[in-house]
Amino acid sequence: GAVVSQHPSWVICKSGTSVKIECRSLDFQATTMFWYRQFPKQSLMLMATSNEGSKATYEQGVEKDKFLINHASLTLSTLTVTSAHPEDSSFYICSVSRGLGRDSYEQYFGPGTRLTVT
Amino acid sequence: AQSVAQPEDQVNVAEGNPLTVKCTYSVSGNPYLFWYVQYPNRGLQFLLKYITGDNLVKGSYGFEAEFNKSQTSFHLKKPSALVSDSALYFCAVRDRSGGNTDKLIFGTGTRLQVFP
Repeated sequence: GAVVSQHPSWVICKSGTSVKIECRSLDFQATTMFWYRQFPKQSLMLMATSNEGSKATYEQGVEKDKFLINHASLTLSTLTVTSAHPEDSSFYICSVSRGLGRDSYEQYFGPGTRLTVT
Repeated sequence: AQSVAQPEDQVNVAEGNPLTVKCTYSVSGNPYLFWYVQYPNRGLQFLLKYITGDNLVKGSYGFEAEFNKSQTSFHLKKPSALVSDSALYFCAVRDRSGGNTDKLIFGTGTRLQVFP
């Protein structure tokens, strides 16, 4: 498999501030990373696809100006929640996509970041 | 649009008994199906996938899944459950409807509770 890290694992911030979450692929270069959010006892909702060297592709209903994604290198993608509000409190998970040849691939997930906005 | 359904919010099973976590899918074309497990406050761990080939797919931790095209199902199974298998299980399908990016569409998840 692949090793994916996220930092921080847990963050509390005040309403109106911005929070940056890092996602790192530790053992291979990832051209594509994904950002998900998960509400308590619910499934993962894909927020955006992060492509190295280009603008992220956001899913319908996700505000790109609120959730800024930067995929600056093949091993790092960042998600910045700008002007956070309590409703942004959630569990944010990133994943990296690794091709395995012959149209086969797997996604490997980071451990997640718990964001609480007070 | 591609989708998966997990009809059970929770499955309870006694330790040592076989377990089944259900998943049905709706896709256009050949389905690429996955199972992931999530432990509390953790990311998802890959269990197994079906791309092509044998309908019975073996994965991590003794889990397996059976692809059934006629029933459009991909149920997760294990012959003998362990208490440590208690977790949240997600079925997912690959979605390429937006282009070449391999997105995953997740089911709503099934909580498996294994009792000693």
